Amino acid sequence: DIQMTQSPSSLSASVGDRVTITCRTSQYINSYLNWYQQKPGKAPKLLIYAASTLQSGVPSRFSGSGSGTDFSLTISSLEPEDFATYYCQQSDNTLYTFGQGTKVEIK
Amino acid sequence: QVQLQESGPGLVKPSETLSLTCVVSGGSLSSYYWSWIRQSPGKGLEWIGYSYYTTTINYNPSLKSRVTFSVDTSKNQFSLNLTSVTAADAAIYYCAKARFRNSGFDSWGQGTLVTVSS
Repeated sequence: DIQMTQSPSSLSASVGDRVTITCRTSQYINSYLNWYQQKPGKAPKLLIYAASTLQSGVPSRFSGSGSGTDFSLTISSLEPEDFATYYCQQSDNTLYTFGQGTKVEIK
Repeated sequence: QVQLQESGPGLVKPSETLSLTCVVSGGSLSSYYWSWIRQSPGKGLEWIGYSYYTTTINYNPSLKSRVTFSVDTSKNQFSLNLTSVTAADAAIYYCAKARFRNSGFDSWGQGTLVTVSS
């Protein structure tokens, strides 16, 4: 299995802050890295696929970067609706695996 | 806009079989990759397997001995059977769609909570 390590596991931030979450994979995965946002009681929502491609309808304050084994998700200016848990997921190997999540909380 | 809706019993007894169905609207099961994914506090998000073009099925090796997918194109639904369940199988189960094998899960059902208890 490809192991996914997200950091931090949680963070506190204020509206307007720039936030970056990182994801490291245990093997090289090209750019097959996806990011999701999940709010309590809801299914995950795809934000970014192929490391840096914004899913249709997702605000441009979200961006992704990286390749190989190191990736990041950046929210350029936090909005109130962005407080949620974020997950990375690799789709290079068809044994798809997810990170453990990063909870973004209000400071 | 593809929509997915899971259904099935919310309570399953240990050692019995969990059966869930996902009804798809707005998309054909003959296209795309259709997956089951579960989420539990202990294991986080865990991919169970996918069906592609109704004939290609790929399971997570950790569950492969207990999992069976079936696809019914006439009803536009796909199903999950998980045998010999234990408390470790208690989770929220989601069905989800990916446009391509590498493209991420772009549509999800709302999820169905499964409890394992006698």
